[in-house]
Amino acid sequence: GQSLEQPSEVTAVEGAIVQINCTYQTSGFYGLSWYQQHDGGAPTFLSYNALDGLEETGRFSSFLSRSDSYGYLLLQELQMKDSASYFCAVGTAAGNKLTFGGGTRVLVKP
Amino acid sequence: ETGVTQTPRHLVMGMTNKKSLKCEQHLGHNAMYWYKQSAKKPLELMFVYSLEERVENNSVPSRFSPECPNSSHLFLHLHTLQPEDSALYLCASSQERASSDTQYFGPGTRLTVL
Repeated sequence: GQSLEQPSEVTAVEGAIVQINCTYQTSGFYGLSWYQQHDGGAPTFLSYNALDGLEETGRFSSFLSRSDSYGYLLLQELQMKDSASYFCAVGTAAGNKLTFGGGTRVLVKP
Repeated sequence: ETGVTQTPRHLVMGMTNKKSLKCEQHLGHNAMYWYKQSAKKPLELMFVYSLEERVENNSVPSRFSPECPNSSHLFLHLHTLQPEDSALYLCASSQERASSDTQYFGPGTRLTVL
């Protein structure tokens, strides 16, 4: 089966940088995705890494190291609206069956 | 708005009731999913449909019965539920069933079983 570990909560101030780590154990790893979910809202896609390296999308970047079974989501220039839960999810070669981590709740303070 | 709608948004039901959750996607996708999100637990995949055919059933109790009449609609029929089934039920869709395909989630149905 698959399992993912990520921190449960992170607190930071506006303008700061936050890194959310995700380690995983899986067979048939295909890629690592990140989703954001605001309280009461739907998860929304942020990024996807299938190859090693850094993917940058505006203030958010995502990194993957397949050899270390590890990835992270980097949130830069934090804004209040970034307060949300962030989930990493692994996909396998067996189709789009995503297994999600428990989520990291990010709280941004003024 | 993600192009995936769910109704109702909130549902309270007794253990002997029968109810149905509805999901509709307006994105022209071929794959649809049901997830369960409980407090302090990871999102759990329940069912996957691809081109209206169920391709995944993650050991979900039979009191949950999915139905996919066409590629745009997905239902979850509920009967004789238990209080521990109270959770947020999320529907999602993706273009195909490839692991690289982004999943688009609906806003969810908050279910409370009394």
